[in-house]
Amino acid sequence: SQQGEEDPQALSIQEGENATMNCSYKTSINNLQWYRQNSGRGLVHLILIRSNEREKHSGRLRVTLDTSKKSSSLLITASRAADTASYFCAISNDYKLSFGAGTTVTVRA
Amino acid sequence: GAGVSQSPSNKVTEKGKDVELRCDPISGHTALYWYRQSLGQGLEFLIYFQGNSAPDKSGLPSDRFSAERTGGSVSTLTIQRTQQEDSAVYLCASSFSHLITGNEQFFGPGTRLTVL
Repeated sequence: SQQGEEDPQALSIQEGENATMNCSYKTSINNLQWYRQNSGRGLVHLILIRSNEREKHSGRLRVTLDTSKKSSSLLITASRAADTASYFCAISNDYKLSFGAGTTVTVRA
Repeated sequence: GAGVSQSPSNKVTEKGKDVELRCDPISGHTALYWYRQSLGQGLEFLIYFQGNSAPDKSGLPSDRFSAERTGGSVSTLTIQRTQQEDSAVYLCASSFSHLITGNEQFFGPGTRLTVL
């Protein structure tokens, strides 16, 4: 299967702390993307990292990609209550995205 | 412009009935995708459209599921003779050609289908 597998399944942190989640996959990729989902509805694209990139930043988000280990990590710094959501990595090959089961992040006030 | 819209937002139906779910993609997006998400799970790919054609229908779970796209825009997902296991959130996404953007997809809010 091409889909990513996120770890941990769930994460609970205090507001202001950092949250880190990981994604592992099994095949070669064009790029890897991270999405956020609130309340079980539509997903929002957060960041895309290409297979020839190793690190990317967007605001409080930092994504790393290690193609030799077939893994990626998403770091959310200085978390806020509004960051409470499910986070999915998606493996992109050609036109298709393959999603993992996600990491549920709860940020406590 | 508006994002991806889906209707209805919620649909409750009885087992055995047919349902139609609609997706309006972002204007200019040539690619359109349907996914299914069961409670607490990831997204399951159903079908991919490029323009009006569907080069990949491999994710449709059975022949009760079909989809069409007209005018390179609106898409309809039809489930015939619904079963309780069809209950899920059905998500639609659109994008520019993956050759241009790397396949960043824009999602609609989904249709929550409940089959009683």
